[in-house]
Amino acid sequence: QSALTQPRSVSGSPGQSVTISCTGTSSDVGGYNSVSWYQQHPGKAPKLMIYDVNKRPSGVPDRFSGSKSGNTASLTISGLQAEDEADYYCCSFAGSYTWVFGGGTKLTVL
Amino acid sequence: EVQLVESGGGLIQPGGSLRLSCAASGFTVSSNYMSWVRQAPGKGLEWVSVIYSGGNTYYADSVKGRFTISRDNSENTLSLQMNSLRAEDTAVYYCARYLKAVAGFFHAFDIWGQGTIVTVSS
Repeated sequence: QSALTQPRSVSGSPGQSVTISCTGTSSDVGGYNSVSWYQQHPGKAPKLMIYDVNKRPSGVPDRFSGSKSGNTASLTISGLQAEDEADYYCCSFAGSYTWVFGGGTKLTVL
Repeated sequence: EVQLVESGGGLIQPGGSLRLSCAASGFTVSSNYMSWVRQAPGKGLEWVSVIYSGGNTYYADSVKGRFTISRDNSENTLSLQMNSLRAEDTAVYYCARYLKAVAGFFHAFDIWGQGTIVTVSS
């Protein structure tokens, strides 16, 4: 149950797009279309942003999108806004009734 | 309003036990898949345990044999009994609900509590 690999930090200017990667193995990310993404502001609980690789829960802006290729999933945020500055975590079903998170990526809006 | 509220955290010595609770409102715990997820200070999220609506339970290797997840249907609460606590169990513990599908559940957590802090230290 090794954590998924995410970049420690990414940054972008307002209005730009950024992509956060999440790399796992064929036993988790590559083996299931069950990747989800969470946004966490300091001191707050995580918030679901994407599930099943590319589906958005109601209320999440369509600026947030997800994709997957092989063992790597990605979260893209377009039209960056100041309020998007937060930590982002990916999560994947890993089989055998277990789930694994990524180490988290700090997004800075310049 | 759909909500989860955790309680029971605190300071505990290594080797000690603690029981966390998570009170649900706006939905029925027993009809959902529920999990505990933790976050060590300054670190990322770590999945800890799940209880399915049918009652089956599963654990991360890091807590297997030491932690027990359960629910009280009459109180509509989720619990986590933590024994043989170690320093590395120090974290904010969140309870979370799995996103429901038309048939079954998605592998995603749509409702989270605010967390309860567990500190294991002598």
